[in-house]
Amino acid sequence: DVKVTQSSRYLVKRTGEKVFLECVQDMDHENMFWYRQDPGLGLRLIYFSYDVKMKEKGDIPEGYSVSREKKERFSLILESASTNQTSMYLCASSKPGQGAAGTEAFFGQGTRLTVV
Amino acid sequence: GQSLEQPSEVTAVEGAIVQINCTYQTSGFYGLSWYQQHDGGAPTFLSYNALDGLEETGRFSSFLSRSDSYGYLLLQELQMKDSASYFCAVREATGGFKTIFGAGTRLFVKA
Repeated sequence: DVKVTQSSRYLVKRTGEKVFLECVQDMDHENMFWYRQDPGLGLRLIYFSYDVKMKEKGDIPEGYSVSREKKERFSLILESASTNQTSMYLCASSKPGQGAAGTEAFFGQGTRLTVV
Repeated sequence: GQSLEQPSEVTAVEGAIVQINCTYQTSGFYGLSWYQQHDGGAPTFLSYNALDGLEETGRFSSFLSRSDSYGYLLLQELQMKDSASYFCAVREATGGFKTIFGAGTRLFVKA
């Protein structure tokens, strides 16, 4: 059974803290993504990576950074957490390429982060 | 820039047919996907269209018109368990073929 695992389901952090959200996939996928999901806004792409040590900014990268040192692991870092980063964070992975392969993204269960 | 438009809410009765529309504006378009998300759950993949036309998978069908930048998800024989949020998503041809999601359509199925 394919799996994308996020390290925490719920997290509460203080303003100004450095926060690490970890994501691991066991499908040997090249592509990995971080989204945040807020009511009425859907899923917004923060960063994605299509290979180890490769990363590209999504639509809302400000205040975030990422790390992909190993193929199976993609970390999202909040350098200095702020209250407007309170959200549901979803990690996903997919195969590369065009056509049917690489079009299905597999999601983790999400991390609900609250910054107080 | 890129954008996807879909209705925020749709309500239908059990056993009926419902269509959820999605219009998109993007560059380097490769295909349109649909995802389902139940409350508290992770989004799960439903379908993908790269070419014009209708793709059918059981009770769910998805349609794409590339010339109109438009697609829809059709749900037939609605069941209560179909109550969920449905997202259209566009696959763009950047270095990693990133996927951009719409804001989602909340489907309420009534008895």
